[in-house]
Amino acid sequence: NAGVTQTPKFQVLKTGQSMTLQCAQDMNHEYMSWYRQDPGMGLRLIHYSVGAGITDQGEVPNGYNVSRSTTEDFPLRLLSAAPSQTSVYFCASRERTVPYGYTFGSGTRLTVV
Amino acid sequence: GNSVTQMEGPVTLSEEAFLTINCTYTATGYPSLFWYVQYPGEGLQLLLKATKADDKGSNKGFEATYRKETTSFHLEKGSVQVSDSAVYFCALSDRGQGAQKLVFGQGTRLTINP
Repeated sequence: NAGVTQTPKFQVLKTGQSMTLQCAQDMNHEYMSWYRQDPGMGLRLIHYSVGAGITDQGEVPNGYNVSRSTTEDFPLRLLSAAPSQTSVYFCASRERTVPYGYTFGSGTRLTVV
Repeated sequence: GNSVTQMEGPVTLSEEAFLTINCTYTATGYPSLFWYVQYPGEGLQLLLKATKADDKGSNKGFEATYRKETTSFHLEKGSVQVSDSAVYFCALSDRGQGAQKLVFGQGTRLTINP
């Protein structure tokens, strides 16, 4: 089925560890993004990309890195995990034209201890 | 900047009750408006959308009308079911540079009791 695939679904990290959250889409969307979801705060944009080789920061980029080498993939890297990064992470891709419909992955629940 | 304000939850209703979840927005441009639903343990699914004033989005018995004069996009359903229990998010996407992000409300948790 066409859509956005995220791995892993669950992850526990120790403070200071690094990891990469994977995201892949098969809809040939140029735009991809990462959000984090925290209780009572809705979803907040971390980073986004408008195409291969182009990335930019969102509202809450600190502590996260991204790169976009292909249209399909948009990994999110945590270089040194902190407890404040405990959250649910969603990857999304978007249509090119109005109404800019977004398709979300099923999420990665990350706990940093 | 752009923002979305949703009715605070949680909301608990009995089956077959009428549902309204209020959503108002602030935007500098002329945004597209969305309602997303998140079932337990799952990602967000698009429920309905509207792109211009007076457009009505509808899906699965849910409706919302884009009201530019009141900057609102309230979600309604005439008769809710237990299976509608979920978290509902109102969101907007602006045009131009503002299209680079989807701005969400804080979400409203809905529980339907049999």
